[in-house]
Amino acid sequence: LAKTTQPISMDSYEGQEVNITCSHNNIATNDYITWYQQFPSQGPRFIIQGYKTKVTNEVASLFIPADRKSSTLSLPRVSLSDTAVYYCLVGFRYRTGRRALTFGSGTRLQVQP
Amino acid sequence: DARVTQTPRDKVTEMGQEVTMRCQPILGHNTVFWYRQTMMQGLELLAYFRNRAPLDDSGMPKDRFSAEMPDATLATLKIQPSEPRDSAVYFCASGLKGGTEAFFGQGTRLTVV
Repeated sequence: LAKTTQPISMDSYEGQEVNITCSHNNIATNDYITWYQQFPSQGPRFIIQGYKTKVTNEVASLFIPADRKSSTLSLPRVSLSDTAVYYCLVGFRYRTGRRALTFGSGTRLQVQP
Repeated sequence: DARVTQTPRDKVTEMGQEVTMRCQPILGHNTVFWYRQTMMQGLELLAYFRNRAPLDDSGMPKDRFSAEMPDATLATLKIQPSEPRDSAVYFCASGLKGGTEAFFGQGTRLTVV
């Protein structure tokens, strides 16, 4: 059964770069990879989306290798307010043909002063 | 500031009662998702709609859950009868393209006693 895998938790300090990797071995050819951030008692918030190679926006970068079986979210110079759970989201096409949008289990990032 | 609006924010009900959760997607968005979040299962996709048509509701227990979009400004998720195991936070999200970039509401915290 297709699934995504992320580290359960990560620790960092303010000002450091944080890289969170998600593996998604069965990603469909035409599916995008999307990362979300979630704070307690809030809904997930879109961070970045990509299909291949590298995508950068004002808050993060997303690195995707050629085989697209994994992706890495990079947060430059994190601050205390980046403490949250980060999810990667990809679409999977199961053998039955049904398409699903599957969140990973999330990575809890703790940023220390 | 466009946002997804969910009502109610909190709901406590007794087992066996009907529960209806409502969602107003962002105006102009043509894709609507319902997710459920629990500590044990994380974020699970229950159903999603595109242009008001259900594309995938395979994540929902069909015997008790139903999801509809009576019009483009309203999505509903109904549970009848509710059970204690349905206790969770239910999120609605809406989007425009691809299905993986979406804006989430604040969620409805459901407690079934």
